[in-house]
Amino acid sequence: DIVMTQSPDSLAVSLGERATIDCKSSQIILDSSNNKTSLAWYQQRPGQPPNLLIYWASTRESGVPDRFSGSGSGTDFTLTISSLQAEDVAVYYCHQYSTVPRTFGQGTKVEIK
Amino acid sequence: QVQLVQSGAEVKKPGASVKVSCKTSGYIFTDYSIHWVRQAPGQRLEWMGWVNGVTGNTVYSQKFQDRVTMTRDTSASAAYMELSSLTSEDTALYYCARVLSGTGYYDSWGRGTLVIVSS
Repeated sequence: DIVMTQSPDSLAVSLGERATIDCKSSQIILDSSNNKTSLAWYQQRPGQPPNLLIYWASTRESGVPDRFSGSGSGTDFTLTISSLQAEDVAVYYCHQYSTVPRTFGQGTKVEIK
Repeated sequence: QVQLVQSGAEVKKPGASVKVSCKTSGYIFTDYSIHWVRQAPGQRLEWMGWVNGVTGNTVYSQKFQDRVTMTRDTSASAAYMELSSLTSEDTALYYCARVLSGTGYYDSWGRGTLVIVSS
């Protein structure tokens, strides 16, 4: 199984400041059919299901604010929130969809400092 | 708009089975597969498997292979997940999520069905 490891487990950031979450996969997660990286990021607010932010490692989902961006390749990936807003308080998960079983990171809790 | 509406919470005794439904609307059901992901208290999201919307073919996590059954009803645009031989470790929020054919990420999720296993 591909293990997804996020860091940190939690972080507190001041409003308007940058938040950065890292995700490392235990194997390269490349889709051989299109040469794209099979990594997604989700935001989960309390009491709600996960919400797709980023797919193919760096493609922002329609309707997602442009302060959210994804980057990385190979086995190392990053989700950046360029200017933290109050509504961004949530748990963030990375997810690989390259192979079965699909796997998720353990989550990173983002709070306001 | 796209909707995935799941059935209500369930309380089951150890050894019993549970069947969760996911009724969809707002899109062409057969263009997508339906995946099932669970979230136990304090745990990370855990993938259970998927059912292909067109063929009904399934792929299951090895962890659940022996006791999970995923089905779909194209006439109802709905998917179902049945889990048997429940234990307390199956207490979790169970989500359905859709995946467009050829991709793999979940662009829409149900709100989850809480399954509590308790004697």
